[in-house]
Amino acid sequence: RKEVEQDPGPFNVPEGATVAFNCTYSNSASQSFFWYRQDCRKEPKLLMSVYSSGNEDGRFTAQLNRASQYISLLIRDSKLSDSATYLCGGYNKLIFGAGTRLAVHP
Amino acid sequence: NAGVMQNPRHLVRRRGQEARLRCSPMKGHSHVYWYRQLPEEGLKFMVYLQKENIIDESGMPKERFSAEFPKEGPSILRIQQVVRGDSAAYFCASSPRDQNAEAFFGQGTRLTVV
Repeated sequence: RKEVEQDPGPFNVPEGATVAFNCTYSNSASQSFFWYRQDCRKEPKLLMSVYSSGNEDGRFTAQLNRASQYISLLIRDSKLSDSATYLCGGYNKLIFGAGTRLAVHP
Repeated sequence: NAGVMQNPRHLVRRRGQEARLRCSPMKGHSHVYWYRQLPEEGLKFMVYLQKENIIDESGMPKERFSAEFPKEGPSILRIQQVVRGDSAAYFCASSPRDQNAEAFFGQGTRLTVV
């Protein structure tokens, strides 16, 4: 089993929609988790950190469920500019899932 | 404060040559991670280093690949006798400490083996 697993998508949603991604992890010793955004052929950029139960930043909410070993990312009021691949990563040694592709259309 | 710097951005090598990829972490960061990414695929962990130490190299191929992070200077990912299958984007990330620390990525080096 991979250490971090994500649904690869793609998720195709209209502008204004709410979309949620899940990410599961197998290493129960992992302390902290992160969501990164990667645009085509660019480097991943940090979107949110998830240290305890959750974190919220504007339209983005990340939640951590340690009992079930999953992390989620909720995007509200999707924008065209949200189209990207979203990577879930966790310590230790900072392993990433394969990423979930999001395509927001008009 | 400059971000994570990788060079070169693009590198072309013939089969059998050596490739050296450099990563200068952000100021104050002493932890470096290297990843390989093939087109349409995720980030594959290769190696995790601290200054002068390899902490985890479980993702490194057993042959031809090596990494170092000396006391002074950038971290180096070295690929000897490159083959076409080594063509990929190589990203490094740095963080100020290990657990619970946010890591930031460089722009990557795109290696093409011809």
